[in-house]
Amino acid sequence: GAGVSQSPSNKVTEKGKDVELRCDPISGHTALYWYRQSLGQGLEFLIYFQGNSAPDKSGLPSDRFSAERTGGSVSTLTIQRTQQEDSAVYLCASRGLEQFFGPGTRLTVL
Amino acid sequence: AQSVSQHNHHVILSEAASLELGCNYSYGGTVNLFWYVQYPGQHLQLLLKYFSGDPLVKGIKGFEAEFIKSKFSFNLRKPSVQWSDTAEYFCAVTRSSGGSYIPTFGRGTSLIVHP
Repeated sequence: GAGVSQSPSNKVTEKGKDVELRCDPISGHTALYWYRQSLGQGLEFLIYFQGNSAPDKSGLPSDRFSAERTGGSVSTLTIQRTQQEDSAVYLCASRGLEQFFGPGTRLTVL
Repeated sequence: AQSVSQHNHHVILSEAASLELGCNYSYGGTVNLFWYVQYPGQHLQLLLKYFSGDPLVKGIKGFEAEFIKSKFSFNLRKPSVQWSDTAEYFCAVTRSSGGSYIPTFGRGTSLIVHP
């Protein structure tokens, strides 16, 4: 596809369960970002991958959050032992000359 | 670390009214500045950007923004809004050099345009 894709589009889970969110960036984009968007809040930076460099994890809110990027392309954001405050829209973006955003995954933790 | 303030959280206008959304950032070095728009049910998309040169930047759909370095501001303007401009608008900043290219976003401004 031409744009950034994310799956699933919606995820409802129970508190304490683990979830995995997937991002397929635009082909050829070496930079990939994960953000979290909560109601009434801006975009909260979570993690940044740039090529083969070590990712910048400075935005991850706790050690329950982790992300990996395999083969410099697809990325997976994993949230372990989900909490209700993790409910948000999780956005992925990739960057060539400019940043392009995916549609997001809406996560609801019951 | 840089931060971005968008002072107008909610703006309601009638069609044909003029628009100005405020954006201030807090970083003393050279910056790149962006405005993104998120229409209802759609992805975030770039509206316009400033890297260098003319501080008055023209974007898509008749939007423009002016970078005023002395005021650390990058306000978004449109002379005459349309109903289709109803959306969430986000200002963002990155450092031009040094550090990684991680944009810092403001909290967003919700714009509602009544027909």
